[in-house]
Amino acid sequence: NAGVTQTPKFQVLKTGQSMTLQCAQDMNHEYMSWYRQDPGMGLRLIHYSVGAGITDQGEVPNGYNVSRSTTEDFPLRLLSAAPSQTSVYFCATQLHREASYEQYFGPGTRLTVT
Amino acid sequence: DAKTTQPPSMDCAEGRAANLPCNHSTISGNEYVYWYRQIHSQGPQYIIHGLKNNETNEMASLIITEDRKSSTLILPHATLRDTAVYYCIVRSVSGGYNKLIFGAGTRLAVHP
Repeated sequence: NAGVTQTPKFQVLKTGQSMTLQCAQDMNHEYMSWYRQDPGMGLRLIHYSVGAGITDQGEVPNGYNVSRSTTEDFPLRLLSAAPSQTSVYFCATQLHREASYEQYFGPGTRLTVT
Repeated sequence: DAKTTQPPSMDCAEGRAANLPCNHSTISGNEYVYWYRQIHSQGPQYIIHGLKNNETNEMASLIITEDRKSSTLILPHATLRDTAVYYCIVRSVSGGYNKLIFGAGTRLAVHP
């Protein structure tokens, strides 16, 4: 049982490049989300999904796309990378969407955009 | 969502209990109190949560005051590996999604 896995662990992009951050879970959790954490700051919600085929925007969605074709996977796509997207990205999962369930976080992807 | 107030930093001797306070005076009746910690920029780690009653698990205890306006996370026997930033979060389902709002947290340093 691997829990929540994220790949890659580190990535350097040039401005304007695109890439996909992968998130996978083997816990059959229905709710998945993406956060970003900038240096010295808390986490901010980018996008979330309450189940396969259902996604929606969080607090800071601009510049990012997501899809949820399966329960297990929730990739985050950077369309055209900008230096402002330099951050650490965390994927989180939750069994059900209700607030009574705790979220579990992956190890993170550290992204640098030059 | 209710906001939380935590001290920016605390120290604790190894083997002693660490008591981390949190104020959430604007909490509403359907909001849970959650505690997470983050070690060395790793992914946040869930510790414990509660609604009204005190809670205990293998990691910690959570004491919530009767008026629910404040709470305390207790690590009963702190170790060096408990050095981390601890986040107290008040959480509800709102706006179609549930979210964790991470504030600045308390940086706990456990020393020998």
